[in-house]
This record gives sequence, structure tokens and C-alpha cells, in this order.
Amino acid sequence: GQQVMQIPQYQHVQEGEDFTTYCNSSTTLSNIQWYKQRPGGHPVFLIQLVKSGEVKKQKRLTFQFGEAKKNSSLHITATQTTDVGTYFCAGPGGSGSRLTFGEGTQLTVNP
Amino acid sequence: SAVISQKPSRDICQRGTSLTIQCQVDSQVTMMFWYRQQPGQSLTLIATANQGSEATYESGFVIDKFPISRPNLTFSTLTVSNMSPEDSSIYLCSGLRGGNTEAFFGQGTRLTVV
Repeated sequence: GQQVMQIPQYQHVQEGEDFTTYCNSSTTLSNIQWYKQRPGGHPVFLIQLVKSGEVKKQKRLTFQFGEAKKNSSLHITATQTTDVGTYFCAGPGGSGSRLTFGEGTQLTVNP
Repeated sequence: SAVISQKPSRDICQRGTSLTIQCQVDSQVTMMFWYRQQPGQSLTLIATANQGSEATYESGFVIDKFPISRPNLTFSTLTVSNMSPEDSSIYLCSGLRGGNTEAFFGQGTRLTVV
């Protein structure tokens, strides 16, 4: 079945440093979504990418979808302590609208 | 996006007992799902809750252990039956609305089985 791999598993940065997490799918995706889960919280939708090579920005966050629609990345510029949490990518898999989630990247930011 | 109210938020249960988790959505949703998440791990899909019919279970999950109901478009329950310590986890419900593929989640139920 479809697999969605995400690296790194953990990332520790100093406040102000940049951060990037990468997502790779074993199959071509019709779209890819990114979610953020704060410690003790539930996943919250951030964005969806649909087009090959698409780039979207949300303030300090930049999301990219690969040309082959099998990989994606999330880049955070100048991290802040509010960025702490686990970032998941997710792609549609199998029948219906079910999502397959990557393993997540847990980001900690040292002030 | 819609809001899902999930309860209980946490519980500590004796092994061999059962716990039913409820999710109520503030508006109609097309699809509802149940996930399990070990602390620090990713989300594992348990099943798709189908309105008025049996849920569709993922490999490794069975109806006898995780019976699911979805009597209407805004409500679903997941029961964790005959619990053992291995069932200790966070359980999350999720919904999709209309043509959107953006998923929204309940607050989660942190279950500890002793």
C-alpha cells in the first residue's frame, strides 16, 4: 500500500534558525496536505497543495509540492517558540477520502 | 472548518472493561474517521465510520474490538472493547465535509488501561 515517509523525525533549533521537513510518497499523489499538532493538542490543517511544482506561503511558512507530485517540503523561516509542535504531511490513499499520514517531524525551538 | 466535540478527553480504565468515545460535529460531514495515535507517533487509521452501515476497518483492526456507530451525519462513537494495557493510546475522530479534503479533528481521548 501507499507509504508516506517524512524526515527528520526530530529537529531541535535555536529560535531564529530556519527549519525544513521533507515528505516522500511511494506513489504519485493527487494532493498533499500539511498539519500541525501542538504538544497535547490535535492535528490542525495548515494547507493543501494540488499542482505539480506548486509553492504556497503562509507568513514564515513555505510549502512546496514536487514536480513529480511524490514529494513535498515545509520550510519555516526564522523559527519562533510558537512554531513548536509536530508537523505531519498527509496524502490521500486507498479508496474514499482517507488520508495516509507521514511519521511527522517534531520541532522544538530553544528560546 | 467544522468543530468536533470529542469526549471523554481522557480516562483511566481497568483491563477487561470497555470505553465508548463520542464525537459530535457542529455541522453535517460527509466522512468521519477514527484514528489511534501513540504519544510521539503518527496517526494510524482504525476505520471509516459509515452512516447507517457497518464501518470500514483498516488492516489490523476488527469490529469486535472496535465497534463503531454512526447513526447520522453529525455523530459517531468508537468503543474500545475488552481493553488491555496495549490499548493505551490517544484516540482521535476526524471529519471531512462536502468536496473538501481538508480533515478536521476532535480534541482526542487519552486512554490509559491499567
